[in-house]
Amino acid sequence: EAGVTQFPSHSVIEKGQTVTLRCDPISGHDNLYWYRRVMGKEIKFLLHFVKESKQDESGMPNNRFLAERTGGTYSTLKVQPAELEDSGVYFCASSRDRGLGGANVLTFGAGSRLTVL
Amino acid sequence: DAKTTQPNSMESNEEEPVHLPCNHSTISGTDYIHWYRQLPSQGPEYVIHGLTSNVNNRMASLAIAEDRKSSTLILHRATLRDAAVYYCIPALYGQNFVFGPGTRLSVLP
Repeated sequence: EAGVTQFPSHSVIEKGQTVTLRCDPISGHDNLYWYRRVMGKEIKFLLHFVKESKQDESGMPNNRFLAERTGGTYSTLKVQPAELEDSGVYFCASSRDRGLGGANVLTFGAGSRLTVL
Repeated sequence: DAKTTQPNSMESNEEEPVHLPCNHSTISGTDYIHWYRQLPSQGPEYVIHGLTSNVNNRMASLAIAEDRKSSTLILHRATLRDAAVYYCIPALYGQNFVFGPGTRLSVLP
């Protein structure tokens, strides 16, 4: 089965510009997650979709970040306007279901590296 | 969220076993213990998970202490490809994964 695909692999933009990252989860996976690692920090949770609905967006840093998952398939994460501190690697992950008792296995994509100049 | 403590780094020789420890003394009774790893320039990759009993799969073994306050990931024969950052993540149903700094494993040829 194809894995989780993220595009672009690397994006370089100027401060104030807009960037849209895309994630294609594994086919049939209802759960889709966004995480990110900014320079020198740990990987942090951003949000979680179940199909097209946002289940948990408690990790979204501010309203410059907008995530969508129309039709419950692929997802986009838009940063508008981008700031210097948004630079980092954005990871998408998907899973078939939550599993029972926390036995949830996530498959991650390779990430989209964002550089804001 | 349960807090974890892992060594910042470890070294191993190729073809030798590696034991990666994790302390999670505040774990609750229903938290699964997950291990993921991140190879250079890749996203995190699932390794193994368990609840109470020791677990084995093709990648590794997971030994869970009887009191569940610690666990050990065992790579039976380290290869150069196993050089990565290994994350121990207690996971409660309905909550999302919290990644710590992990253990950076270096494998020497």
